[in-house]
Amino acid sequence: AQKVTQAQTEISVVEKEDVTLDCVYETRDTTYYLFWYKQPPSGELVFLIRRNSFDEQNEISGRYSWNFQKSTSSFNFTITASQVVDSAVYFCALSEARRGSQGNLIFGKGTKLSVKP
Amino acid sequence: EADIYQTPRYLVIGTGKKITLECSQTMGHDKMYWYQQDPGMELHLIHYSYGVNSTEKGDLSSESTVSRIRTEHFPLTLESARPSHTSQYLCASSGQALTNLYGYTFGSGTRLTVV
Repeated sequence: AQKVTQAQTEISVVEKEDVTLDCVYETRDTTYYLFWYKQPPSGELVFLIRRNSFDEQNEISGRYSWNFQKSTSSFNFTITASQVVDSAVYFCALSEARRGSQGNLIFGKGTKLSVKP
Repeated sequence: EADIYQTPRYLVIGTGKKITLECSQTMGHDKMYWYQQDPGMELHLIHYSYGVNSTEKGDLSSESTVSRIRTEHFPLTLESARPSHTSQYLCASSGQALTNLYGYTFGSGTRLTVV
């Protein structure tokens, strides 16, 4: 069965601190996608990144970076020099990607990040 | 500009009223989903559809019902609203798995308060 675990329910940091949000997944598939979404207080989930299971290269986008490690089934998200605008709930998700699958997303429970000025 | 629209954005309604939350998407996606979410909490899948005339219940039992008569439209109805239905309702859609660059596209949500 597929499962996504975000063990950190809430994290609070002071502005300019670095923060890492953990995501551990379980799947028997060899082909899958991993996602991160951001949900600001306004409520809409915003797509941040998709990573497929064959691409273990880390990714950096501005202050955001993602570390994908198949050996530990983890897809962690780091925000460098956090800002107040980063305050949100962040969701990690997993989907099947094999041909013929529905590609439904399995979401973690989310991590609420509060960045204080 | 959003490709998936939810209305209303906010709704306060009395107990016992019938309500319909609207969700429409312009991307031609076959798959659509409804999630229920308490503030800052996990997402609970309550309904989904893989196409016209296809609807299924999700992981969380819900007293709501859905319909899918047109590809672009996936409304959710509560026949008799109760305070326990107070929550945020998020609609999402997705295309085929292999070309699903963004996973799901989400609407802005409807925040429902039943008094």
